[in-house]
Amino acid sequence: GEDVEQSLFLSVREGDSSVINCTYTDSSSTYLYWYKQEPGAGLQLLTYIFSNMDMKQDQRLTVLLNKKDKHLSLRIADTQTGDSAIYFCAERAPGRRALTFGSGTRLQVQP
Amino acid sequence: DADVTQTPRNRITKTGKRIMLECSQTKGHDRMYWYRQDPGLGLRLIYYSFDVKDINKGEISDGYSVSRQAQAKFSLSLESAIPNQTALYFCATSPSGNTDTQYFGPGTRLTVL
Repeated sequence: GEDVEQSLFLSVREGDSSVINCTYTDSSSTYLYWYKQEPGAGLQLLTYIFSNMDMKQDQRLTVLLNKKDKHLSLRIADTQTGDSAIYFCAERAPGRRALTFGSGTRLQVQP
Repeated sequence: DADVTQTPRNRITKTGKRIMLECSQTKGHDRMYWYRQDPGLGLRLIYYSFDVKDINKGEISDGYSVSRQAQAKFSLSLESAIPNQTALYFCATSPSGNTDTQYFGPGTRLTVL
């Protein structure tokens, strides 16, 4: 199967780190993505990681990939109120012509 | 100007009506997609097109049809709308290639009464 699973909700305080987790079942996935959806808007690509990488860092964002456990995480350092949004992980598996998205994690940042 | 536009942004209609949602892009991408978003279910793929002559069903295509009128235009039709098609609909595009980065429109909120 190619299900992508995420927890639905995460609440953190401003300035703390946020960690959003995702599990996927297709071990042959080549690319894994994190998208952000702000209220009333479409999804926007945050970052992606190729399957031969363990980690990717981009400013406040750190993506960790554990292929053995089929686990992907997104860490947001120094979380700000502007980071409040829904975060989707997605995978691209060989032989599939489109992405499979998780159900999204709503991040709430409390001041 | 937005690269991926959707019209209308909001629509309320009645059961049994035919509805068309339109998507246009100025990114020059070959690939276009239609998704629907429901609370707690994430995005589900309805149809996708890799070029003007390539149309494919996604995981939830029943009750929907599409037309790829040109590289830049991809429309989604509901032939006879029903209430469980009430959702937020997104169009997306991506360039050909391996990374498959997708660019989303702002969404159309459709309510079927």
